[in-house]
Amino acid sequence: AQTVTQSQPEMSVQEAETVTLSCTYDTSENNYYLFWYKQPPSRQMILVIRQEAYKQQNATENRFSVNFQKAAKSFSLKISDSQLGDTAMYFCAFMKLFQGAQKLVFGQGTRLTINP
Amino acid sequence: EADIYQTPRYLVIGTGKKITLECSQTMGHDKMYWYQQDPGMELHLIHYSYGVNSTEKGDLSSESTVSRIRTEHFPLTLESARPSHTSQYLCASSESPGGYTFGSGTRLTVV
Repeated sequence: AQTVTQSQPEMSVQEAETVTLSCTYDTSENNYYLFWYKQPPSRQMILVIRQEAYKQQNATENRFSVNFQKAAKSFSLKISDSQLGDTAMYFCAFMKLFQGAQKLVFGQGTRLTINP
Repeated sequence: EADIYQTPRYLVIGTGKKITLECSQTMGHDKMYWYQQDPGMELHLIHYSYGVNSTEKGDLSSESTVSRIRTEHFPLTLESARPSHTSQYLCASSESPGGYTFGSGTRLTVV
């Protein structure tokens, strides 16, 4: 079974700083997807960024980028020029394609606080 | 606007009551999911559906049941609520492996 581990339960940085959230996963699959989701307090979970395992190039989305190390099974999220609105729970997630199902397996989450 | 809707947003109910959590999406997605999010914030898959008339148990055992009679509708039912069912329930849908679209969740408290 796939597992996803986020080793940082909480992080706190000052506004405009850069922060990196860690994620490791365990799988024997070769083709899969990895995601970072953001869940602001009492609000909807939204997709931040996606990475296909067959792509060597790291995904980027404006201030958000990932460092995908397939051999090390590591998938960290870097947030540049952090903003107050980035305060949220961040979940790393693994998706395996299996017989039509697209089940997401989530990590434990990292609570990120951006301080003014 | 295409989206996924969950009602109610908050529910406080007594032990033994039957409840149904509603989830509807307007995107025409075939695949839908229910996740349970415990107080520690970790999410666990409890039910999913490939399409109409398809329902499957997820990775976490749950006493709840689901149905999928229409593509857009995926309600979750608890026949007899207990305090151990207190949690947040998130509904999601997907089409391609591009990721899920999540609803805002239902925070259930059983007293």
